[in-house]
Amino acid sequence: GDSVTQMEGPVTLSEEAFLTINCTYTATGYPSLFWYVQYPGEGLQLLLKATKADDKGSNKGFEATYRKETTSFHLEKGSVQVSDSAVYFCALSGGGATNKLIFGTGTLLAVQP
Amino acid sequence: EPEVTQTPSHQVTQMGQEVILRCVPISNHLYFYWYRQILGQKVEFLVSFYNNEISEKSEIFDDQFSVERPDGSNFTLKIRSTKLEDSAMYFCASSGQGSSYNEQFFGPGTRLTVL
Repeated sequence: GDSVTQMEGPVTLSEEAFLTINCTYTATGYPSLFWYVQYPGEGLQLLLKATKADDKGSNKGFEATYRKETTSFHLEKGSVQVSDSAVYFCALSGGGATNKLIFGTGTLLAVQP
Repeated sequence: EPEVTQTPSHQVTQMGQEVILRCVPISNHLYFYWYRQILGQKVEFLVSFYNNEISEKSEIFDDQFSVERPDGSNFTLKIRSTKLEDSAMYFCASSGQGSSYNEQFFGPGTRLTVL
């Protein structure tokens, strides 16, 4: 079945460092791909999405490109801030009649001043 | 900004008791979902709901679970006879139509503790 694998955390960075969180997927068909973020004590928030190959999703300085050839959707940010500290979830959805989200395990990011 | 709300934020119950978790989706959304996250594990899909019926459910969503939209605003998840392994964070989500169909907005979650 469809699945998402993301790098294990925690990831600890200093402020202004470059961030990469790896995500790969296995899916039949052509899924949509998502990054969700969960700040402490809050629910899951959609950070960005991409719906087809070579699409780049971006939001709040974060980017991810849908790479069909490597089945990847890695999350990047050029300069992280303390306020970016959160858990980041990669997810996919088959869309159509099946809109359920399949999540990775989540990666905890801790940014230190 | 519209948001999904959930109540209660934390529910403690005894094994075998019934619980109802409540959600108020975004008002113009038509698709509704429940997910759960057992501590330290992945967020898992439970069920999706559209047009007053279940559109998909996972193998986790057995006969002990049911969902309902009792009025125009609430969406509930009922667990008839809770087990210890039902302890988890339960998230409600909703999505709209057209281009926003695949953008699910999540509530803050209800932490269920079964003793």
